[in-house]
Amino acid sequence: GAVVSQHPSRVICKSGTSVKIECRSLDFQATTMFWYRQFPKQSLMLMATSNEGSKATYEQGVEKDKFLINHASLTLSTLTVTSAHPEDSSFYICSARDRFRGSYNEQFFGPGTRLTVL
Amino acid sequence: LAKTTQPISMDSYEGQEVNITCSHNNIATNDYITWYQQFPSQGPRFIIQGYKTKVTNEVASLFIPADRKSSTLSLPRVSLSDTAVYYCLVGEGQAGTALIFGKGTTLSVSS
Repeated sequence: GAVVSQHPSRVICKSGTSVKIECRSLDFQATTMFWYRQFPKQSLMLMATSNEGSKATYEQGVEKDKFLINHASLTLSTLTVTSAHPEDSSFYICSARDRFRGSYNEQFFGPGTRLTVL
Repeated sequence: LAKTTQPISMDSYEGQEVNITCSHNNIATNDYITWYQQFPSQGPRFIIQGYKTKVTNEVASLFIPADRKSSTLSLPRVSLSDTAVYYCLVGEGQAGTALIFGKGTTLSVSS
């Protein structure tokens, strides 16, 4: 299947700092990527839909000024957690759909980024 | 998007067949049924997808009755490495449409 990578895989930062997470589609172009957040022992929660060349669409309750999303190319979307606080500590996962590969509803997920805010 | 209901957890032993049933009473005509697997600290992985009747691949089988209000994921002869969370999702899967995950079923396989 298609490959999606994330960088970094884990990051520890101090409260008040900003952290950038990269999501790349390695062998396909993705006009749309999705960002999820997952707390321990909970399901994935959709945060936003990232569209190449346009503004992201955020889910209700997700602060767009805190979680900045940039999708500048067909293979890269970035999520920046600004002024991070301990409650932002979570597992962040991105996904994308390859129009030319996979089943009808198949999305390819990155390996996730573990963010810990001290 | 149709809401799905799955058992919270299931236990099994190595070598057994495991069947996880998902209810989706409000499934729409254009909806597909898709199952994902997630290991701890990893992103979900696509397992299988179907629209009606039975679908089989190298990993699992998916049984869908005629009314499509439920579906059953069947894992033959599970091993310890099948311990994971399994999610049932229902939707059209149009390009640009996000996947909405329910709570999933935590499968624990013991030796």
